[in-house]
Amino acid sequence: DTAVSQTPKYLVTQMGNDKSIKCEQNLGHDTMYWYKQDSKKFLKIMFSYNNKELIINETVPNRFSPKSPDKAHLNLHINSLELGDSAVYFCASSQQGSGYGYTFGSGTRLTVV
Amino acid sequence: AQRVTQPEKLLSVFKGAPVELKCNYSYSGSPELFWYVQYSRQRLQLLLRHISRESIKGFTADLNKGETSFHLKKPFAQEEDSAMYYCALRGAGAGKSTFGDGTTLTVKP
Repeated sequence: DTAVSQTPKYLVTQMGNDKSIKCEQNLGHDTMYWYKQDSKKFLKIMFSYNNKELIINETVPNRFSPKSPDKAHLNLHINSLELGDSAVYFCASSQQGSGYGYTFGSGTRLTVV
Repeated sequence: AQRVTQPEKLLSVFKGAPVELKCNYSYSGSPELFWYVQYSRQRLQLLLRHISRESIKGFTADLNKGETSFHLKKPFAQEEDSAMYYCALRGAGAGKSTFGDGTTLTVKP
């Protein structure tokens, strides 16, 4: 059983399109995250939700909108895609409390052409 | 503000040699430090947590608050250790984790 699953794995789309990436975790974790890994492999946090509530919202364009229908799901919708949005997007989850690391999904490689 | 610095972008060693991947951090509170590993075309996986003081796949890491470091060490590197390694700092109260820029380790035969 995959602990954190993301779909799709690959996404190729044209500039200006709107797309969504879905993430689900079956670990019972309270907190979920979206990270962006750019072409240099740098990892930057985008959003974090705790029990469906947004708790972290880094400096991310308004075109990116996360949605958490329940604590097991955190989706990412991107409007008006731009070339610079091309990256690998990782979903992750963790338990509350000290000492818990993240469990990551396998990533979604987004290519905007 | 929290910051993680991994000074080496690339590190290459021969099989059987010791390896140390450096990580320094900046954080005003009490930090939680982690190492993650990403093998080629795979997801990031948690490797070590400072709080558990364990050895995983022969790797260890000790939190040195005086030097604000959390270096990852292995006495005898193996070819299968070749991967990207990220050091991460998690702020207090289950806050966000800030990742270093990563170090690509290559273990040559």
